[in-house]
Amino acid sequence: DTAVSQTPKYLVTQMGNDKSIKCEQNLGHDTMYWYKQDSKKFLKIMFSYNNKELIINETVPNRFSPKSPDKAHLNLHINSLELGDSAVYFCASSRVATGPNYNEQFFGPGTRLTVL
Amino acid sequence: AQSVTQPDIHITVSEGASLELRCNYSYGATPYLFWYVQSPGQGLQLLLKYFSGDTLVQGIKGFEAEFKRSQSSFNLRKPSVHWSDAAEYFCAVGAVTGANNLFFGTGTRLTVIP
Repeated sequence: DTAVSQTPKYLVTQMGNDKSIKCEQNLGHDTMYWYKQDSKKFLKIMFSYNNKELIINETVPNRFSPKSPDKAHLNLHINSLELGDSAVYFCASSRVATGPNYNEQFFGPGTRLTVL
Repeated sequence: AQSVTQPDIHITVSEGASLELRCNYSYGATPYLFWYVQSPGQGLQLLLKYFSGDTLVQGIKGFEAEFKRSQSSFNLRKPSVHWSDAAEYFCAVGAVTGANNLFFGTGTRLTVIP
């Protein structure tokens, strides 16, 4: 069974469109994340959700909105897509952070978004 | 602030040769350190991690890494590289800041020559 899954794997769309990427984890984790990997392969955190509440929003344009219907899902909705949004988007999950303890993140396979 | 530096953008080695990928981090507290590998068109796979204890950690696929606090380094090594090791390698530092935050280096692309 896939631990962290994302759909679709590839997404090609026109500028100005609205699109969503879905993420599901079956690990029983409480925290989920979205990362963006740009054309230079640099990976950066976008959002972190803990028990359906937003924890981190790293200066991401408000055209990006994470939606968590339950703690096993964290979808990424993008409005008014721009050329610069073309990237690979990774979902990840972990157990909830407790004090100084760090819990390992597990990554999905990524969604390659191309905006034309 | 947390940061990770991978000084080598691209490394080429011959199959069977040894490998060392460099990683330096900046973090004010005890670091949690990771190496991930990304094969072409694939997601991220965890190679190994350091949380505490023995500073030499063993990972999958014959990789190991050594945590050196005095040098703020966590270099990845493999004694004999295989052609299938060609990939992008990312070092990352984990921090607990309300969530388990993960900060990545810019990656090192490994090319293996037959």
